[in-house]
Amino acid sequence: DTGVSQDPRHKITKRGQNVTFRCDPISEHNRLYWYRQTLGQGPEFLTYFQNEAQLEKSRLLSDRFSAERPKGSFSTLEIQRTEQGDSAMYLCASTFVGAYGYTFGSGTRLTVV
Amino acid sequence: AQSVTQPDIHITVSEGASLELRCNYSYGATPYLFWYVQSPGQGLQLLLKYFSGDTLVQGIKGFEAEFKRSQSSFNLRKPSVHWSDAAEYFCAVGASGNAGNMLTFGGGTRLMVKP
Repeated sequence: DTGVSQDPRHKITKRGQNVTFRCDPISEHNRLYWYRQTLGQGPEFLTYFQNEAQLEKSRLLSDRFSAERPKGSFSTLEIQRTEQGDSAMYLCASTFVGAYGYTFGSGTRLTVV
Repeated sequence: AQSVTQPDIHITVSEGASLELRCNYSYGATPYLFWYVQSPGQGLQLLLKYFSGDTLVQGIKGFEAEFKRSQSSFNLRKPSVHWSDAAEYFCAVGASGNAGNMLTFGGGTRLMVKP
């Protein structure tokens, strides 16, 4: 068990560019969550998957954001046409169905310049 | 909708002193409550959680928290703080019966430890 892995750890991009982050959950976990954390704030829920199905999306997830979990294993979060307001830490977490208390990854810190 | 308030943005304590971090939640039924710790540039680590039963819950690293329904609180305590406890602490609430088990986090309390 290597925990939840996120790649890259840091990403600096110019405004208007597209970026993609990857999350590898704990292998036997069937739920995967994405949260966003801006500086000085607590994490905010973005979306979650159960296996490969995306079951809920927050209204924070504008149409520039898309997430996938194609085979129920790793997940990607893509942001198109990045804006400075997208600068944040993007956290991934995983767990079992019905369980609380996720395991979080170390996050991807995005800076849009 | 549920919400969490952590009234103290920053707290400084001396090493060896006791610690209490405050958390107040808003939720219509019995909540599921959590405390997480985050070191700089890192993800969140679960310290402890409360679902039901004994209102005093023990966690890792010597932390404990007490659920007080009448005060809508879930304060985190540690009898003797170590320098390595310096970090940001987040309280979170999950809605019981929420099929998705999403969590709502407070704004966090940054703990600094004086030698």
